Amino acid sequence: QVQLQQSGPGLVKPSQTLSLTCAISGDSVSSNSAAWNWVRQSPSRGLEWLGRTYYRSKWYNNYAVSVKSRITINPDTSKNQFSLQLNSVTPEDTAVYYCARAKVGTGYSGYEFDYWGQGTLVTVSS
Amino acid sequence: QSALTQPPSASGSPGQSVTISCTGTSNDIGGYNYVSWYQQHPGKAPKVMIFEVSKRPSGVPDRFSGSKSGNTASLTVSGLQAEDEADYYCSSYAGSTNFWVFGGGTKLTVL
Repeated sequence: QVQLQQSGPGLVKPSQTLSLTCAISGDSVSSNSAAWNWVRQSPSRGLEWLGRTYYRSKWYNNYAVSVKSRITINPDTSKNQFSLQLNSVTPEDTAVYYCARAKVGTGYSGYEFDYWGQGTLVTVSS
Repeated sequence: QSALTQPPSASGSPGQSVTISCTGTSNDIGGYNYVSWYQQHPGKAPKVMIFEVSKRPSGVPDRFSGSKSGNTASLTVSGLQAEDEADYYCSSYAGSTNFWVFGGGTKLTVL
């Protein structure tokens, strides 16, 4: 059974960096058939895909246009986890942040999110 | 402002059927057969109920079904049960620039 366990601070000051980690059990961040995503949810913006990291003989990243200049998603193979860093945050970045897996195989095409973390409410405020 | 348009609310009595629509464009729903539907109960993470327009993951009741016509996808919940009361979100792959887009969500109330 795949589990995604999120950790990180719930309060970040404006202009600082939001950092979250998603620890994976039951799968591997280096899997050749999975992609590891960050999605956020806020009342004003709804659900918003932020980006992903995945391994296909080498590491790849894709980021949403809306945050591309401020976001980094990194895998950590030694701890089987991946992280989100969002720089220069503003109150508009206040949201519940989720990590999620997209998996090719076991019936899935890889274009849907089959496992999600528990969510972390991050508030941007001084 | 979400990329995909859903009605904010829907309702039905136990045993009835309800259909939730999700309208996009030819750049997302109309261009790919990668529409997913997610159920979200308060305080919980979303759960995939339908993927690739009409496929159900293992464990999802066959009361849930999906379809697509042009730029509009639909989720139908038949034989409504109390536990179906939740928010439902549609999502579509939107190509290698925008990747994934979501709807604004529909609150389903079981009367």
